[in-house]
Amino acid sequence: QKEVEQNSGPLSVPEGAIASLNCTYSDRVSQSFFWYRQYSGKSPELIMSIYSNGDKEDGRFTAQLNKASQYVSLLIRDSQPSDSATYLCAANAGNNRKLIWGLGTSLAVNP
Amino acid sequence: DGGITQSPKYLFRKEGQNVTLSCEQNLNHDAMYWYRQDPGQGLRLIYYSQIVNDFQKGDIAEGYSVSREKKESFPLTVTSAQKNPTAFYLCASTGGNQPQHFGDGTRLSIL
Repeated sequence: QKEVEQNSGPLSVPEGAIASLNCTYSDRVSQSFFWYRQYSGKSPELIMSIYSNGDKEDGRFTAQLNKASQYVSLLIRDSQPSDSATYLCAANAGNNRKLIWGLGTSLAVNP
Repeated sequence: DGGITQSPKYLFRKEGQNVTLSCEQNLNHDAMYWYRQDPGQGLRLIYYSQIVNDFQKGDIAEGYSVSREKKESFPLTVTSAQKNPTAFYLCASTGGNQPQHFGDGTRLSIL
């Protein structure tokens, strides 16, 4: 069974701190990884995609991928209250463009 | 503006009734997906379609049906066989190697 696992949280950080969200996956075939943010009652929106080992930075967000250890993480620097949401990790399920989804980590940034 | 449009935003189903949720995209994406999300839960795949006139069952297809007669449209019917239809329904699409992008969702409730 292919799986993507995330800590459900809630993860609570003070405003201005670094939030670290982690995700592990079981399928070595997975090549593409995605982080989505979902506000309560809204649809998921793409934050970051990462395809190769190492770090990828976009503004305050950094995605890190380690294929040997089968984990992908998302760092949010200078966290803001507006970052409070559920963060979903997803991995592609091989070559059929389906995604395997984690259950999400709830993040609360406290002013 | 390119995007994915889901309608209606809210839908109510009576006992024994079939209801259809609309999903239209003008992104020229080949693949389209329907997910169900229950409160506090992750995304579960109902059906997906990689090309026109073809679709495959996802993990929870029982009680649902779809069609893909046009590239732009992927309607989902929730049949009376689906005994617990109350959920947030999300449509997504993707093209090439792009990540999936979502519509705003339809919230379905039972009257």
